[in-house]
Amino acid sequence: KAGVTQTPRYLIKTRGQQVTLSCSPISGHRSVSWYQQTPGQGLQFLFEYFSETQRNKGNFPGRFSGRQFSNSRSEMNVSTLELGDSALYLCASSVSTDTQYFGPGTRLTVL
Amino acid sequence: KQEVTQIPAALSVPEGENLVLNCSFTDSAIYNLQWFRQDPGKGLTSLLLIQSSQREQTSGRLNASLDKSSGRSTLYIAASQPGDSATYLCAARFNTGNQFYFGTGTSLTVIP
Repeated sequence: KAGVTQTPRYLIKTRGQQVTLSCSPISGHRSVSWYQQTPGQGLQFLFEYFSETQRNKGNFPGRFSGRQFSNSRSEMNVSTLELGDSALYLCASSVSTDTQYFGPGTRLTVL
Repeated sequence: KQEVTQIPAALSVPEGENLVLNCSFTDSAIYNLQWFRQDPGKGLTSLLLIQSSQREQTSGRLNASLDKSSGRSTLYIAASQPGDSATYLCAARFNTGNQFYFGTGTSLTVIP
Protein backbone atom coordinates (compact mmCIF):
# COMPACT_ATOMS: atom_id res chain seq x y z
CA LYS A 1 0.00 0.00 0.00
CA ALA A 2 1.19 3.50 -0.71
CA GLY A 3 1.83 5.65 2.33
CA VAL A 4 0.44 9.05 3.22
CA THR A 5 1.41 11.66 0.66
CA GLN A 6 1.51 15.39 1.12
CA THR A 7 1.86 18.09 -1.49
CA PRO A 8 3.66 20.33 -1.91
CA ARG A 9 6.69 19.34 0.13
CA TYR A 10 8.04 22.89 0.36
CA LEU A 11 6.31 26.23 0.09
CA ILE A 12 7.43 29.82 0.43
CA LYS A 13 4.81 32.53 0.88
CA THR A 14 4.71 36.13 2.04
CA ARG A 15 2.70 37.61 4.88
CA GLY A 16 -0.94 38.17 4.07
CA GLN A 17 -1.13 35.48 1.41
CA GLN A 18 -3.12 32.29 1.74
CA VAL A 19 -2.00 28.73 1.20
CA THR A 20 -3.61 25.32 0.60
CA LEU A 21 -1.92 22.09 1.55
CA SER A 22 -3.03 18.67 0.41
CA CYS A 23 -2.95 15.25 2.04
CA SER A 24 -3.80 11.88 0.50
CA PRO A 25 -4.32 9.19 3.13
CA ILE A 26 -3.55 5.51 2.92
CA SER A 27 -6.17 3.67 0.88
CA GLY A 28 -9.05 2.61 3.12
CA HIS A 29 -8.29 5.14 5.85
CA ARG A 30 -11.17 7.47 6.62
CA SER A 31 -9.58 9.66 9.27
CA VAL A 32 -7.15 12.45 8.45
CA SER A 33 -5.58 14.63 11.14
CA TRP A 34 -3.46 17.73 10.68
CA TYR A 35 -0.66 18.91 12.94
CA GLN A 36 1.65 21.91 13.09
CA GLN A 37 5.21 21.32 14.25
CA THR A 38 7.50 24.16 15.32
CA PRO A 39 10.73 24.11 17.35
CA GLY A 40 9.14 26.16 20.12
CA GLN A 41 5.70 24.54 20.43
CA GLY A 42 6.36 21.00 19.28
CA LEU A 43 3.54 19.09 17.62
CA GLN A 44 0.16 20.73 17.96
CA PHE A 45 -3.13 19.29 16.79
CA LEU A 46 -5.04 21.36 14.25
CA PHE A 47 -8.08 19.28 13.35
CA GLU A 48 -9.29 15.85 12.35
CA TYR A 49 -11.69 14.84 9.62
CA PHE A 50 -13.54 11.56 9.45
CA SER A 51 -15.82 10.68 6.54
CA GLU A 52 -15.90 14.30 5.35
CA THR A 53 -16.88 15.68 8.79
CA GLN A 54 -14.67 17.56 11.18
CA ARG A 55 -14.54 15.32 14.24
CA ASN A 56 -12.10 17.30 16.39
CA LYS A 57 -10.55 20.73 16.42
CA GLY A 58 -7.52 22.10 18.24
CA ASN A 59 -6.94 25.60 19.55
CA PHE A 60 -5.98 27.44 16.41
CA PRO A 61 -7.53 30.64 15.04
CA GLY A 62 -10.19 30.57 12.35
CA ARG A 63 -7.54 31.38 9.73
CA PHE A 64 -6.80 27.67 9.76
CA SER A 65 -9.46 25.60 8.08
CA GLY A 66 -9.74 22.27 6.40
CA ARG A 67 -11.97 19.93 4.53
CA GLN A 68 -12.15 16.32 3.44
CA PHE A 69 -13.43 14.96 0.19
CA SER A 70 -15.43 11.83 -0.50
CA ASN A 71 -12.24 9.96 -1.47
CA SER A 72 -10.81 10.85 2.01
CA ARG A 73 -8.23 13.25 0.59
CA SER A 74 -7.97 16.33 2.75
CA GLU A 75 -6.90 19.91 2.28
CA MET A 76 -5.83 22.46 4.83
CA ASN A 77 -6.06 26.18 4.16
CA VAL A 78 -4.37 29.02 6.00
CA SER A 79 -5.51 32.52 5.17
CA THR A 80 -3.78 35.82 5.90
CA LEU A 81 -0.45 34.19 6.61
CA GLU A 82 1.68 35.43 9.51
CA LEU A 83 5.40 34.94 10.14
CA GLY A 84 4.53 32.64 13.03
CA ASP A 85 2.77 30.24 10.67
CA SER A 86 6.15 29.07 9.39
CA ALA A 87 6.26 25.41 10.37
CA LEU A 88 6.25 21.81 9.26
CA TYR A 89 2.64 20.78 8.62
CA LEU A 90 2.04 17.08 9.04
CA CYS A 91 -0.98 15.03 8.23
CA ALA A 92 -1.73 11.58 9.55
CA SER A 93 -4.25 8.99 8.46
CA SER A 94 -5.85 6.12 10.30
CA VAL A 95 -8.74 3.74 9.88
CA SER A 96 -10.51 5.44 12.79
CA THR A 97 -8.98 5.84 16.25
CA ASP A 98 -6.14 3.39 15.93
CA THR A 99 -2.58 3.69 14.66
CA GLN A 100 -1.82 6.97 12.94
CA TYR A 101 0.47 6.98 9.93
CA PHE A 102 2.17 10.23 9.09
CA GLY A 103 3.12 11.78 5.80
CA PRO A 104 6.49 13.46 5.15
CA GLY A 105 5.07 16.92 5.83
CA THR A 106 4.93 20.25 4.04
CA ARG A 107 7.55 22.80 5.08
CA LEU A 108 5.92 26.24 4.94
CA THR A 109 8.08 29.34 5.16
CA VAL A 110 6.38 32.72 5.51
CA LEU A 111 8.51 35.75 4.63
CA LYS B 1 -6.07 19.79 31.02
CA GLN B 2 -4.59 16.76 29.31
CA GLU B 3 -0.83 16.93 28.97
CA VAL B 4 1.92 14.60 27.85
CA THR B 5 5.50 15.11 28.92
CA GLN B 6 8.77 13.41 28.06
CA ILE B 7 11.90 13.56 30.15
CA PRO B 8 14.77 13.85 29.43
CA ALA B 9 14.71 16.12 26.40
CA ALA B 10 17.97 14.62 25.18
CA LEU B 11 19.86 11.42 25.84
CA SER B 12 23.25 10.19 24.66
CA VAL B 13 24.32 6.56 25.08
CA PRO B 14 27.13 4.33 23.76
CA GLU B 15 26.27 1.73 21.15
CA GLY B 16 25.02 -1.56 22.54
CA GLU B 17 23.47 -0.12 25.67
CA ASN B 18 19.89 -0.88 26.63
CA LEU B 19 17.86 2.24 27.33
CA VAL B 20 14.46 3.44 28.50
CA LEU B 21 12.57 6.49 27.30
CA ASN B 22 9.82 7.91 29.48
CA CYS B 23 6.42 9.39 28.72
CA SER B 24 4.03 10.76 31.35
CA PHE B 25 0.40 11.76 30.95
CA THR B 26 -1.98 13.56 33.26
CA ASP B 27 -5.25 11.71 32.61
CA SER B 28 -5.54 8.03 33.50
CA ALA B 29 -8.60 7.74 31.24
CA ILE B 30 -6.39 6.97 28.31
CA TYR B 31 -7.72 5.36 25.12
CA ASN B 32 -4.39 4.42 23.54
CA LEU B 33 -0.80 5.59 23.33
CA GLN B 34 1.51 5.56 20.35
CA TRP B 35 5.29 5.86 20.08
CA PHE B 36 6.94 7.43 17.05
CA ARG B 37 10.42 8.25 15.86
CA GLN B 38 11.25 11.30 13.82
CA ASP B 39 14.42 11.79 11.85
CA PRO B 40 15.58 15.38 11.24
CA GLY B 41 13.33 17.22 8.78
CA LYS B 42 11.18 14.15 8.21
CA GLY B 43 7.71 12.97 9.13
CA LEU B 44 6.91 10.60 11.96
CA THR B 45 7.37 6.84 11.76
CA SER B 46 4.99 4.78 13.88
CA LEU B 47 6.78 2.35 16.20
CA LEU B 48 4.19 0.86 18.54
CA LEU B 49 0.58 1.43 19.58
CA ILE B 50 -0.68 0.30 22.98
CA GLN B 51 -4.40 0.11 23.64
CA SER B 52 -5.67 0.98 27.12
CA SER B 53 -6.48 -2.68 27.75
CA GLN B 54 -2.88 -3.73 27.07
CA ARG B 55 0.14 -3.60 29.36
CA GLU B 56 2.85 -3.79 26.70
CA GLN B 57 3.67 -4.22 23.04
CA THR B 58 6.83 -5.54 21.43
CA SER B 59 8.37 -5.12 18.02
CA GLY B 60 11.87 -6.41 17.45
CA ARG B 61 14.26 -4.63 19.83
CA LEU B 62 11.50 -2.30 21.02
CA ASN B 63 9.16 -2.86 23.93
CA ALA B 64 6.58 -0.31 25.07
CA SER B 65 4.69 -0.54 28.34
CA LEU B 66 1.66 1.29 29.65
CA ASP B 67 0.75 1.90 33.30
CA LYS B 68 -2.50 3.84 33.43
CA SER B 69 -2.62 4.13 37.22
CA SER B 70 0.74 5.91 37.39
CA GLY B 71 0.22 7.81 34.13
CA ARG B 72 3.36 6.46 32.53
CA SER B 73 4.54 4.72 29.42
CA THR B 74 8.08 3.59 28.72
CA LEU B 75 9.82 2.65 25.51
CA TYR B 76 12.62 0.15 26.01
CA ILE B 77 15.25 -0.13 23.29
CA ALA B 78 17.54 -3.13 23.53
CA ALA B 79 21.10 -3.22 22.21
CA SER B 80 21.01 0.31 20.83
CA GLN B 81 22.57 1.05 17.43
CA PRO B 82 23.70 4.32 15.79
CA GLY B 83 20.71 4.00 13.42
CA ASP B 84 18.43 4.39 16.43
CA SER B 85 19.53 8.02 16.73
CA ALA B 86 16.41 10.13 16.25
CA THR B 87 13.79 12.02 18.22
CA TYR B 88 11.27 9.76 19.92
CA LEU B 89 7.78 11.06 20.53
CA CYS B 90 4.86 9.63 22.44
CA ALA B 91 1.27 10.60 21.79
CA ALA B 92 -1.76 9.80 23.93
CA ARG B 93 -5.40 9.67 22.94
CA PHE B 94 -7.80 10.04 25.86
CA ASN B 95 -11.34 8.83 26.38
CA THR B 96 -12.65 12.41 26.35
CA GLY B 97 -12.06 14.13 23.06
CA ASN B 98 -10.50 12.23 20.23
CA GLN B 99 -7.22 13.92 19.40
CA PHE B 100 -3.68 12.81 20.02
CA TYR B 101 -1.68 14.85 22.54
CA PHE B 102 2.03 14.77 21.80
CA GLY B 103 4.94 14.97 24.16
CA THR B 104 7.87 17.23 23.28
CA GLY B 105 10.10 14.30 22.48
CA THR B 106 13.43 12.84 23.57
CA SER B 107 16.34 13.34 21.22
CA LEU B 108 18.42 10.16 21.30
CA THR B 109 22.02 9.93 20.13
CA VAL B 110 23.70 6.53 20.03
CA ILE B 111 27.48 6.91 19.90
CA PRO B 112 29.39 4.30 17.86
